[in-house]
Amino acid sequence: DGGITQSPKYLFRKEGQNVTLSCEQNLNHDAMYWYRQDPGQGLRLIYYSQIVNDFQKGDIAEGYSVSREKKESFPLTVTSAQKNPTAFYLCASSTRDRHPSGANVLTFGAGSRLTVL
Amino acid sequence: AQSVTQLDSQVPVFEEAPVELRCNYSSSVSVYLFWYVQYPNQGLQLLLKYLSGSTLVKGINGFEAEFNKSQTSFHLRKPSVHISDTAEYFCAVRDTNDYKLSFGAGTTVTVRA
Repeated sequence: DGGITQSPKYLFRKEGQNVTLSCEQNLNHDAMYWYRQDPGQGLRLIYYSQIVNDFQKGDIAEGYSVSREKKESFPLTVTSAQKNPTAFYLCASSTRDRHPSGANVLTFGAGSRLTVL
Repeated sequence: AQSVTQLDSQVPVFEEAPVELRCNYSSSVSVYLFWYVQYPNQGLQLLLKYLSGSTLVKGINGFEAEFNKSQTSFHLRKPSVHISDTAEYFCAVRDTNDYKLSFGAGTTVTVRA
């Protein structure tokens, strides 16, 4: 079955450490996204990529970095510069078709929960 | 830029009762609208979407939503809920000329027997 795999599901980090969250999809989607979820705040967009080797900052990109070297993979690095990194991180993917028939509906992974100790 | 307001953060409801979750959006252009559901410690699953055409949209698990352009609303309804409908529900909006999806803060539905 096609889908999105995020790993690890749970991750603990000490302050000052960088961590990388993995996101892999086998849906043949061009576009991939990273969202951060905090209680009572919904989902906020960190970064998104519409095509390999290209990505754009979302609404809360500070303290995060991404790469898109392969169509299937969009890893997110939470750097030590992120002041409040404890959160639930969700990866998503979609087609790039913006026509109504496609409307690039997002498919989500199961998420990664990061806790900074 | 668009924004989404979900008017209720928590909605307790008894099993087999109806439920309505309210969503209002603001945008200066045409939009696509979505409702997603999230079960504990899981990703989001699409319930339904409005792209164009009929303003009444039917989704999975017996949910439906009505798009009201004049009131800029997209309220979600289910006539009879089950215990398994306990989850968090997110309304989302996207401008038809953009890739970015904006989410509301979410509504937690708790169904009690």
